[in-house]
Amino acid sequence: AQKVTQAQTEISVVEKEDVTLDCVYETRDTTYYLFWYKQPPSGELVFLIRRNSFDEQNEISGRYSWNFQKSTSSFNFTITASQVVDSAVYFCAGGGNAGNMLTFGGGTRLMVKP
Amino acid sequence: SQTIHQWPATLVQPVGSPLSLECTVEGTSNPNLYWYRQAAGRGLQLLFYSVGIGQISSEVPQNLSASRPQDRQFILSSKKLLLSDSGFYLCAWSGGAANSYNEQFFGPGTRLTVL
Repeated sequence: AQKVTQAQTEISVVEKEDVTLDCVYETRDTTYYLFWYKQPPSGELVFLIRRNSFDEQNEISGRYSWNFQKSTSSFNFTITASQVVDSAVYFCAGGGNAGNMLTFGGGTRLMVKP
Repeated sequence: SQTIHQWPATLVQPVGSPLSLECTVEGTSNPNLYWYRQAAGRGLQLLFYSVGIGQISSEVPQNLSASRPQDRQFILSSKKLLLSDSGFYLCAWSGGAANSYNEQFFGPGTRLTVL
């Protein structure tokens, strides 16, 4: 069975601070996929990134960056120079079994204060 | 481009009443479809998924059911709602074959309150 742990339930930062959201994925699968989603107050989940377990290269997209380390099963998400619009709940998810099913973590609520 | 629709956006229903939530996807064919529930302040719970018309898999035993009468239509139903059915219901779709693990794209959700 897969397990996704987001230990930080809530984080509060001041605008322009950098913030890192942690995610740990536990699985027995040798090949798996990891995802991050953003859920703004409107409720709709927005897809941010998908990573394969055999690709440990970090990825950067604007102010967002992701660090995947297979040795620690971690897939952390960093927002540089945070903005108020980054305030949302962020979910990490993983999948590796049949049926395209994903296992979601409990989410981290990020509050960016002006 | 692909879009996913859900309706209604909000719903208030009495305990014991029936439920029907609808989800449709445009711009793709043979999508994998999913129903999730999110209780207030909680994570996502997968309820049902479907890899094709008439093919439904249930993840959580409950008084809910799902149907896929058409390729891009996914319906969540209940004959008698319980208070515990309150929550935010999200429909999602993904493309590709099974085990391809493409990302899932979510609809706007339906906020259900059972009184």
